[in-house]
Amino acid sequence: KAGVTQTPRYLIKTRGQQVTLSCSPISGHRSVSWYQQTPGQGLQFLFEYFSETQRNKGNFPGRFSGRQFSNSRSEMNVSTLELGDSALYLCASMDGLNYNEQFFGPGTRLTVL
Amino acid sequence: AQTVTQSQPEMSVQEAETVTLSCTYDTSESDYYLFWYKQPPSRQMILVIRQEAYKQQNATENRFSVNFQKAAKSFSLKISDSQLGDAAMYFCAYRSGTSGSRLTFGEGTQLTVNP
Repeated sequence: KAGVTQTPRYLIKTRGQQVTLSCSPISGHRSVSWYQQTPGQGLQFLFEYFSETQRNKGNFPGRFSGRQFSNSRSEMNVSTLELGDSALYLCASMDGLNYNEQFFGPGTRLTVL
Repeated sequence: AQTVTQSQPEMSVQEAETVTLSCTYDTSESDYYLFWYKQPPSRQMILVIRQEAYKQQNATENRFSVNFQKAAKSFSLKISDSQLGDAAMYFCAYRSGTSGSRLTFGEGTQLTVNP
């Protein structure tokens, strides 16, 4: 099976813009989670989608949103970008029936200028 | 809220030697899972080993093993016969057994393997 894929891998935006990141999970996986990784805050959970429904949400402002499609692919959107949004955004997919197996994608490196 | 603490920002080990990375966590739950993830310079997060809280036996995966002390809320990772390819950032992570796939990560330990 192909692994988790994320597009784009690198992105440069300016303050105030918005951005959409995409994550395609492993075939058959219905859960997709998103994480933000920064040197200062470490790895922080953004949200999880399962069967097109948000199942869990971290402590991030409303500028961060996501959705999941019927094929389990997920997108996250950040509106009104701030310098502090510069980070590596990781998504992870999981077979909803097996809580032990969670696989990460290679990440999208977002730089906000 | 659950917290995970890794008190060693950096560790180093000689090739072929053994190293132990420390992790403590805080939770009031009884149903949970613990993980060690490895993040090499490529930034790809790779699962190293996992432990279910209800299992008393410590998990082992080839050269990687854990020391799970449930009462002390401690979950250390031992890497035996260290190899150059083990050099990476290692993250300890906690997942509740009742709240989906959400992982709470520690701060990470940067492991250097010296030839």
